Amino acid sequence: DTGVSQDPRHKITKRGQNVTFRCDPISEHNRLYWYRQTLGQGPEFLTYFQNEAQLEKSRLLSDRFSAERPKGSFSTLEIQRTEQGDSAMYLCASSPSGSGDTGELFFGEGSRLTVL
Amino acid sequence: GNSVTQMEGPVTLSEEAFLTINCTYTATGYPSLFWYVQYPGEGLQLLLKATKADDKGSNKGFEATYRKETTSFHLEKGSVQVSDSAVYFCAPFTGRRALTFGSGTRLQVQP
Repeated sequence: DTGVSQDPRHKITKRGQNVTFRCDPISEHNRLYWYRQTLGQGPEFLTYFQNEAQLEKSRLLSDRFSAERPKGSFSTLEIQRTEQGDSAMYLCASSPSGSGDTGELFFGEGSRLTVL
Repeated sequence: GNSVTQMEGPVTLSEEAFLTINCTYTATGYPSLFWYVQYPGEGLQLLLKATKADDKGSNKGFEATYRKETTSFHLEKGSVQVSDSAVYFCAPFTGRRALTFGSGTRLQVQP
């Protein structure tokens, strides 16, 4: 399978705990995006990387959130001191850049976070 | 920045009915326009796109025409099937930042 993969698919945690999600993009894609989607809403942009550089962060990304893409391949999204309001589906997507960038994003199936 | 207004759902139709889901957008420059679909339990996937004014994107019997004068990209299908039940998202793309999605329109098709 050469699509975008995310792990874990579902995480249940207690308020105050830290959680980390991993995303493996399509191998030849050098752009990687994180979105958050709550029930009944569209995906909200969190941040994106081109290779290992984090080029943009949304104001939604509070200081409890940190994303990395150290080698320009997989990425992690960590949420520290989770709150119930963090419960959502965290979506990862990838795309090529340069002349291959048509704007189309390729999404993984998401990681669902439930904070108790 | 970009923004999208989609008609609220759910839209409930009988099989073989005609579908229209309205989408209007605001964007700087000349965006490409996308419709994404999210089937139950699956990730978002591109349904169709149009890259310039008057272009018509089409896929799986769905169509949408890029109307620059009305800043709209309405999604249509002549005869829906139960398998089309999903959430549909409109999204403009200007190349400077990530896609901005609308809130989505849930379509429920009844047999």
